[in-house]
Amino acid sequence: DVKVTQSSRYLVKRTGEKVFLECVQDMDHENMFWYRQDPGLGLRLIYFSYDVKMKEKGDIPEGYSVSREKKERFSLILESASTNQTSMYLCASSLQGLEETQYFGPGTRLLVL
Amino acid sequence: DQQVKQNSPSLSVQEGRISILNCDYTNSMFDYFLWYKKYPAEGPTFLISISSIKDKNEDGRFTVFLNKSAKHLSLHIVPSQPGDSAVYFCAHLTGNQFYFGTGTSLTVIP
Repeated sequence: DVKVTQSSRYLVKRTGEKVFLECVQDMDHENMFWYRQDPGLGLRLIYFSYDVKMKEKGDIPEGYSVSREKKERFSLILESASTNQTSMYLCASSLQGLEETQYFGPGTRLLVL
Repeated sequence: DQQVKQNSPSLSVQEGRISILNCDYTNSMFDYFLWYKKYPAEGPTFLISISSIKDKNEDGRFTVFLNKSAKHLSLHIVPSQPGDSAVYFCAHLTGNQFYFGTGTSLTVIP
């Protein structure tokens, strides 16, 4: 059973703080993804990574950066959190090809005050 | 600009009847489409997929139809069951980018 875990279910931060969202998968998947989910906008891809130290911008990378130092861990970084980054953040992983099934974590609900 | 549109935010269907969820897309390169289901407080889970070389894919009660000329995708669930009540997202892999729709909340009434 694939397991994707996210470090926090709920997080409250202040504007301007640096925020780290961590994601870990235990199935040796090559690809990892970060999405945000907002009402009326669905899931939007922020960044993805197809290998250690590799990253690709998604649809909405502005205001975010990512880090993948180890295969199983993919971090999303908000360098200076803003209120418009209040959202549900979902991490996912997939085995190899981008068309393969993505397995999602439970999500982190981030509130930026 | 929304690349993938699910124009019905919600749908209610009687148990045992057919549920039809629709999705329209704009881009057309190498195309692969996926449907995900999401329950509250959980991450989405994969349901079914289809590549652009096919026009139909079936898996048990779930069938996905692809109309490339209309750039339209639909998911049929038959018979619908109360456990199918969830939010359904269609996703479009085009080039090396994923685009998800806004979701359709399906309620199956017992």
